[in-house]
Amino acid sequence: GENVEQHPSTLSVQEGDSAVIKCTYSDSASNYFPWYKQELGKRPQLIIDIRSNVGEKKDQRIAVTLNKTAKHFSLHITETQPEDSAVYFCAASQGGSARQLTFGSGTQLTVLP
Amino acid sequence: GAGVSQTPSNKVTEKGKYVELRCDPISGHTALYWYRQSLGQGPEFLIYFQGTGAADDSGLPNDRFFAVRPEGSVSTLKIQRTERGDSAVYLCASSPGGNSPLHFGNGTRLTVT
Repeated sequence: GENVEQHPSTLSVQEGDSAVIKCTYSDSASNYFPWYKQELGKRPQLIIDIRSNVGEKKDQRIAVTLNKTAKHFSLHITETQPEDSAVYFCAASQGGSARQLTFGSGTQLTVLP
Repeated sequence: GAGVSQTPSNKVTEKGKYVELRCDPISGHTALYWYRQSLGQGPEFLIYFQGTGAADDSGLPNDRFFAVRPEGSVSTLKIQRTERGDSAVYLCASSPGGNSPLHFGNGTRLTVT
């Protein structure tokens, strides 16, 4: 089955700096890669996703890059704000759909004011 | 509109007891998923419904776990003979199906004492 590794487990940045979180996956058949943000005690919320037919996708301050050859994908947050502080999870699945997502172990991002 | 609703939000039960966790998906969403999230970990897939049928139950850890969705809307996750290791947040998610992203509920925090 799929295995997703996520690094780092914790990340602290100064407000206004950029943050980068990286994930690797094992199953070359995976072709859908979403990122979720989870605040303490709340539901995971989708912030951006990418499919394997593109290498990069951007939405305002958030971008995701995908390298299918190397089987890794990354989340980039620019101009970080304190409200970006949360746990971020990457995930991967096959079939271009959200079925049976395999999640990484999460990154606790803290943005220091 | 209303999101995915899960009840109860918290459940404390004694080892060996039976519990039922309920999920109300977003209206019109045909796909429904159950995930389990242990402290400090990413969600782990349990089961996926497309309509009334369980399309993939490969994530259920053992035969003490069972889920139903009799009318293709509300789903119930049932756990028999609960064990302390079952303690976790049980997340439900729904989607319109196909390549659509998942929308998660706030989860039920289950504590087995």
